[in-house]
Order: sequence, then structure tokens, then C-alpha cells
Amino acid sequence: NAGVTQTPKFRILKIGQSMTLQCTQDMNHNYMYWYRQDPGMGLKLIYYSVGAGITDKGEVPNGYNVSRSTTEDFPLRLELAAPSQTSVYFCASSANLYSNQPQHFGDGTRLSIL
Amino acid sequence: KNEVEQSPQNLTAQEGEFITINCSYSVGISALHWLQQHPGGGIVSLFMLSSGKKKHGRLIATINIQEKHSSLHITASHPRDSAVYICAVRLIQGAQKLVFGQGTRLTINP
Repeated sequence: NAGVTQTPKFRILKIGQSMTLQCTQDMNHNYMYWYRQDPGMGLKLIYYSVGAGITDKGEVPNGYNVSRSTTEDFPLRLELAAPSQTSVYFCASSANLYSNQPQHFGDGTRLSIL
Repeated sequence: KNEVEQSPQNLTAQEGEFITINCSYSVGISALHWLQQHPGGGIVSLFMLSSGKKKHGRLIATINIQEKHSSLHITASHPRDSAVYICAVRLIQGAQKLVFGQGTRLTINP
């Protein structure tokens, strides 16, 4: 039971570098989400997708980009890393909005920008 | 003011105590989630409820829609219950996203 898989688990970047956080799910879920979690704060939605080819901004999208070419994969791209993007990033998926199904979360990616 | 407020922010108790964590929200919702985040960081969904009460083992979640309030109770608490408990609501408007509380850090001492 893989569920939602995120890679890498940890990463240190220098300011200005770029990287892609990978997220894949094997539950055939239509909905996928990227969140960031800062110390003492609730999770904030960065981007979400309701299906392959469809993405939309969440609360804090600046500095990030996403794509959804397949149902399984939802990568998050940081183009020019900034210290403010130091955070823990969680990917999640759910079957659909109106079923009695929870969101399933990956284990997170801890990202530090120095 | 946050749309979802949890209390307390931190809670320390002795093994065996009855634990209550509260969540209040100020917006119209279609569902409320309780999540558990262990020190390793992974997040697990405990409950999703839109009315009444749900029970799973020693955990009980209740919601009062009229009062815009939910509680998570843990009976016979154990050190392995130590974690951050997170309340999240699914909005009626913009139902494709969840709005999260800041979490309650629970520590159960043996």
C-alpha cells in the first residue's frame, strides 16, 4: 500500500536554485494538493488539481509552479528558491470532494533554503 | 482572525487522563476533519464528520454545526497518543480545499 509518495524527504538548496518536489499516488484519486507547513502555523494550500491537465492556485502560490500530466503525478516546482520557502511540504490526494473519503497525505519533504 | 481556531495550543497530561481538544470555526462548512501528525512528520486522517459523533477505538470526535464547534476526545490516554492534532474544515464556498487550524501539541507522560 504505497498511497501518496513524496521525494525527496530532505533537501537543502542555495538561494536562487531550482528544484522539483515529486508526488505520486497509486489510488487513482482525481484530487491532489500541495501544502506547506511552517512552524506554529496551520497547513497552507499552495496549488491543487482536480484532474489531469487541470490545476489551480491555492492560498500561497507565489514562487511555485505545478503540472498534472497524469492522474498519478503532481510535481511542485520551485524556480528561484528563496529563504521564505524554507518549510515542510506535504502532498495529499483524495477521491473526490463529496464522498465520505479523507485526504491521504505523503510523509512530507523538509526543505531548507540557505 | 483565523477561520479555524484550536485550543489549547499545547497540552501535557499524565497517562490515563481523559483528553479534550477543541476546534472552533467561523465559516460555513460541509465537513470537518481531525488529523494526527506524529513527531516523524507524517499526517494521518482520523475522522471526517459533518454531524453528530464518531468513535474509533479510544478516540471520539463530535461536532455541533449550530455552534460551529468540534471536539476530539481521547479516553485512557497513552504516551503513544503524543502527537499534534489538527482540525481542518471543508468550506461550503470553495469546497475543493481544506482550511487548517494551527494544531494542538499533545504530550502524554508515563
